[in-house]
Amino acid sequence: QKEVEQNSGPLSVPEGAIASLNCTYSDRVSQSFFWYRQYSGKSPELIMSIYSNGDKEDGRFTAQLNKASQYVSLLIRDSQPSDSATYLCAVIFSGSARQLTFGSGTQLTVLP
Amino acid sequence: DAGVIQSPRHEVTEMGQEVTLRCKPISGHDYLFWYRQTMMRGLELLIYFNNNVPIDDSGMPEDRFSAKMPNASFSTLKIQPSEPRDSAVYFCASRTGTDEKLFFGSGTQLSVL
Repeated sequence: QKEVEQNSGPLSVPEGAIASLNCTYSDRVSQSFFWYRQYSGKSPELIMSIYSNGDKEDGRFTAQLNKASQYVSLLIRDSQPSDSATYLCAVIFSGSARQLTFGSGTQLTVLP
Repeated sequence: DAGVIQSPRHEVTEMGQEVTLRCKPISGHDYLFWYRQTMMRGLELLIYFNNNVPIDDSGMPEDRFSAKMPNASFSTLKIQPSEPRDSAVYFCASRTGTDEKLFFGSGTQLSVL
């Protein structure tokens, strides 16, 4: 069974620090990886996508992908209290007709 | 565009009652998804449609659940009869055929007493 694993947390970091969120997945040939942010009581929203090994930066967010290790991470620099949310890792597994499989999410709290 | 629209936002019902959740996808999106989210199981895909046709319903938990998409702008998820273990947030989402970015509705919080 194809799975996406995340540390459920909660993860607490002080304001201004770097938050590091990690995700592993079970299928070596997967090609598409996504990070969604979900505020409490709200719906998930896409914040990053990554398809190639290495880093992809977007403002304070950096996604890192290592396909050999089946590992994708999200770094949030200069964390703000407004970043406090649950972060969901999602993977499109090979043979899944491009459908997303979500991890259970990591709850992040940024302390002022 | 108003985004994906779901109704109702909250539904409280008693065990055994029929529940119908509604979704209007973003205009022009030809994929529609129904997800269920609980603390225990996270976000689970129940069923998805492509051009109004159900493609994969393997995530539907049992025969009590059914979903329809009579046209490109409307879908329903029905639970009959409802049970307390169906209590969850149900999300509808849509996307185009060429972009993997998924847009979620605001969800329906279902409580079955």
